[in-house]
Amino acid sequence: KAGVTQTPRYLIKTRGQQVTLSCSPISGHRSVSWYQQTPGQGLQFLFEYFSETQRNKGNFPGRFSGRQFSNSRSEMNVSTLELGDSALYLCASSFGTGYGYGYTFGSGTRLTVV
Amino acid sequence: QQQVKQSPQSLIVQKGGISIINCAYENTAFDYFPWYQQFPGKGPALLIAIRPDVSEKKEGRFTISFNKSAKQFSLHIMDSQPGDSATYFCAAPAGNKLTFGGGTRVLVKP
Repeated sequence: KAGVTQTPRYLIKTRGQQVTLSCSPISGHRSVSWYQQTPGQGLQFLFEYFSETQRNKGNFPGRFSGRQFSNSRSEMNVSTLELGDSALYLCASSFGTGYGYGYTFGSGTRLTVV
Repeated sequence: QQQVKQSPQSLIVQKGGISIINCAYENTAFDYFPWYQQFPGKGPALLIAIRPDVSEKKEGRFTISFNKSAKQFSLHIMDSQPGDSATYFCAAPAGNKLTFGGGTRVLVKP
């Protein structure tokens, strides 16, 4: 059974640009959550999508957005990149919304903003 | 607002020793307390978890101790091995949102 796939694995962008990250959940999983991981702030929740609807949102500016497609694949977009957006972006998939369904992380996309 | 506080930030233990990581939480609505293990270049992976109606759970060399009245829980790694060298995170979910502790980097010396 394939795991959670995140693409690309590494990305370098310039300040002011925008970026789109992709997450393919485990087959059959309908919920995708996104997290930002930095040395200073640790793991911070960005948002969760379930059945193409955003169910929960963390405390991040509106430059961070996401969406989910009918096949449960999800994309995350960051506009007007800032140096502080450099981080490892992780997505996690689960069968349903609610932690009791289980939660599997991908290996992440390492974003560097220069 | 940090709702899960984890300590220490790092620890070094000799092979065969015991690693102990502690977490304290504030939100009494949390009802499930997982621990995640993360290796460099990988995402966190669920290691072991406990519900607050149980005071201890053991899986192999890994044990969670839970103190509901103190709102604290801890991970013990017995007979620590070099392969256990990783970053460990405690967490608590609210809905499908996980609130993580700050992480503990564990180094097991051979």
